[in-house]
Amino acid sequence: DAKTTQPPSMDCAEGRAANLPCNHSTISGNEYVYWYRQIHSQGPQYIIHGLKNNETNEMASLIITEDRKSSTLILPHATLRDTAVYYCIVRVNYGGSQGNLIFGKGTKLSVKP
Amino acid sequence: NAGVMQNPRHLVRRRGQEARLRCSPVKGHSHVYWYRQLPEEGLKFMVYLQKENIIDESGMPKERFSAEFPKEGPSILRIQQVVRGDSAAYFCASSQPGASTEAFFGQGTRLTVV
Repeated sequence: DAKTTQPPSMDCAEGRAANLPCNHSTISGNEYVYWYRQIHSQGPQYIIHGLKNNETNEMASLIITEDRKSSTLILPHATLRDTAVYYCIVRVNYGGSQGNLIFGKGTKLSVKP
Repeated sequence: NAGVMQNPRHLVRRRGQEARLRCSPVKGHSHVYWYRQLPEEGLKFMVYLQKENIIDESGMPKERFSAEFPKEGPSILRIQQVVRGDSAAYFCASSQPGASTEAFFGQGTRLTVV
């Protein structure tokens, strides 16, 4: 089962920041938080991942709380093409090696003009 | 810089036939993951393989389904004696080894059983 909890849906106005929350209160110390999105029925697209520090790349920023029990994905300037289902995933850890990604139900983000 | 390639993109099989789904990982990636997505549902993990080894098959149905990732060539997900309930999108992902490496997904194979 997924170790994360996300709101089922969110709306965001085009051009505004989209802040997608995720709870992962049972995360272990060496497990990473990953974010993916799936646009319509395409293959999931990797967005970003982190362990305990905040991370930023060309797509988004990831803010992880100090106790690591929750995180927020930030899309700084949402566009209509960002409409998708966003998945927050705690990656299974096999003794230091990465494991599989267990997808939950995700958050359906609708960006509106 | 080819990504994960899955073929065929669409596959139609009659009940009782076999379906073979192929996944070519990103060059240099030695880990492959298979997922199934039923219509209007989320992705369900099926199996995680390294070259010539199955690491985790906890999501694989006990019967009719098998997967392999040989030393040479693509990973294969094989479904024997398909039934209508096998109709779904099957996605493959690949990654490099390491504790913190992203996995990249292919565009999937849509299997329709008629």
